[in-house]
Amino acid sequence: SQTIHQWPATLVQPVGSPLSLECTVEGTSNPNLYWYRQAAGRGLQLLFYSVGIGQISSEVPQNLSASRPQDRQFILSSKKLLLSDSGFYLCAWSLGGLETQYFGPGTRLLVL
Amino acid sequence: QQPVQSPQAVILREGEDAVINCSSSKALYSVHWYRQKHGEAPVFLMILLKGGEQKGHDKISASFNEKKQQSSLYLTASQLSYSGTYFCGTGPTGNQFYFGTGTSLTVIP
Repeated sequence: SQTIHQWPATLVQPVGSPLSLECTVEGTSNPNLYWYRQAAGRGLQLLFYSVGIGQISSEVPQNLSASRPQDRQFILSSKKLLLSDSGFYLCAWSLGGLETQYFGPGTRLLVL
Repeated sequence: QQPVQSPQAVILREGEDAVINCSSSKALYSVHWYRQKHGEAPVFLMILLKGGEQKGHDKISASFNEKKQQSSLYLTASQLSYSGTYFCGTGPTGNQFYFGTGTSLTVIP
């Protein structure tokens, strides 16, 4: 069976500090991978999606970036965090663009 | 491109029914429905792949009207466990996906 992991679960970072969130998927090959952000009480905002190693599409131009160094690994990064980066970051995978998306447990990020 | 859901929030008593609507200004290629409990990740409920399709399990079902670019989620005889935020999701292309604005559902005893 497939599983998706995210870490860390919770993170408190000062403004201007770097960020690295990791997501890994087990039990499947060549998945589509997604990064979403959810602000408190709000909906899901698609940040990045990837259809393969090294292939990243950005939906929202900002101070965040994503990388996919391995087939089942997806990393979200920032060089300098902003207060507005606070939120609940969710990684998801699917077998195809319009297939069911399965979410990881998420990372709660608080930027102070 | 984000689908719009209505209502934004609804409060039900146990046993009552509810309908959540999802509308898009663009063509809907398929519609997914997810439920998110407070503080947790969204969980998949069902997917409708073509216009006219209807699906359901237990007392939750959905329909997809491709021509109207709309989908509806039906919850009948609601239970306390139905509480959460419901999201529809759809994509204009195979590798882009957008979630709706969300509907908060609260079921009270």
